[in-house]
This record gives sequence, C-alpha cells and structure tokens, in this order.
Amino acid sequence: KAGVTQTPRYLIKTRGQQVTLSCSPISGHRSVSWYQQTPGQGLQFLFEYFSETQRNKGNFPGRFSGRQFSNSRSEMNVSTLELGDSALYLCASSLEVRKRDGYTFGSGTRLTVV
Amino acid sequence: AQTVTQSQPEMSVQEAETVTLSCTYDTSESNYYLFWYKQPPSRQMILVIRQEAYKQQNATENRFSVNFQKAAKSFSLKISDSQLGDTAMYFCAFMISNTGNQFYFGTGTSLTVIP
Repeated sequence: KAGVTQTPRYLIKTRGQQVTLSCSPISGHRSVSWYQQTPGQGLQFLFEYFSETQRNKGNFPGRFSGRQFSNSRSEMNVSTLELGDSALYLCASSLEVRKRDGYTFGSGTRLTVV
Repeated sequence: AQTVTQSQPEMSVQEAETVTLSCTYDTSESNYYLFWYKQPPSRQMILVIRQEAYKQQNATENRFSVNFQKAAKSFSLKISDSQLGDTAMYFCAFMISNTGNQFYFGTGTSLTVIP
C-alpha cells in the first residue's frame, strides 16, 4: 500500500514568485491536512480538506491557499513568496472515521525562498 | 486556546538507557486524543504511540510508554532500552475529537542516542 506522496521533495524559489506543492494521500483516505514546519515553531496547521471542501483553516495569510480534487489529491499554493515562507511543508492524510488513530504523513517538501 | 508545550528542545541518552520526554498541553475540552510522533532525518513523521484521554491506563508500545496525568495535563514519553535508531525529533500532539479534528503539535524535542 503506497504511503502519502509529496512532490517535489525540494524546491528553491525567488522572493515574489509563487509555488504549488502536491500531495497524494493513501488510497481511500479522503481527509488531507497541510502543516508548515519551521525550527522552533514546530508544526503549524495550514488547512484541512475533505471531499474537495476546505473544512478547517489555520492562522495563515491569504497568500496560502489549497484545493482538493475528486481523487483526494491535494495541492497547496503560496503566492508572492517571502523569505519567511522557507519551511518544510508536510501533508498528512487520514481516514475520516479513524482520525483518532492519527495521521499518516508524507516526507514533506522542503521549500527554500531566496 | 489549545497549546502544547515541550520544554526540552534537546536531550541525549546513552544507548540501552531510559529517557523521558516531557509534554504538557492546555485545553478546556474533556474528549481528546494524545499522540507522540517521531521524525527521523528522513523527515517522515511516524506515529509512536497514542492515548485516549478517557482511558486512565497508560498506553505502551514495546519500548515506548507514556505517563498520562489528565488533571495535570501532562503526557510524557518514556523510551526504554534506547537504540541508535531512536535518534530523531519527537513531537507531542493532541486532537480534540469534536472540533474539526484538528491536531495541535508541540515544538519538538531533539533526541540523540549516544553509542
């Protein structure tokens, strides 16, 4: 059974550009959540999607957006990149009825903004 | 507000020894779940152990066990017989089951097992 797949693994962008990250959840998982991980801040919740609908959103500016497709794959987009957006972006999927069992995470996309 | 505090940014332990990682949290909810995740250098977050808040019995998974003190809102992780492969970042987290199922994470503890 394939795990959560995130692409690309590494990304270098210039300040002011935009970026799109992709996440394919485990087959059958319809809930996808995104987190930003930075040193000293831990994991900060970005948003959660379920059945193509954003169900929950963290405290991030509107430059951060996402969407989910009918096959449960999800993308997140960051526009007008800032240096502070450099981070590891983690995607996690779960079975809705078994979320209490925890997430399954991908290996993340390391975004560096220069 | 829901918060998770891990007061030990870094810890080390000798191989085969026992180490305890601390975690405290704050929530006014009574129904939630607690987790410890491990993140090795490969970056993949791996679930180590989970605990239901309504259960008084502490969870155990092989060499990993927790000390859950609900009144004190404390959820520490004990690793027995530490192995080199235990070297990783460890994150404490909790999920409130009736508010969108959002997870709240601490800032992590970097554990190094010394041979």
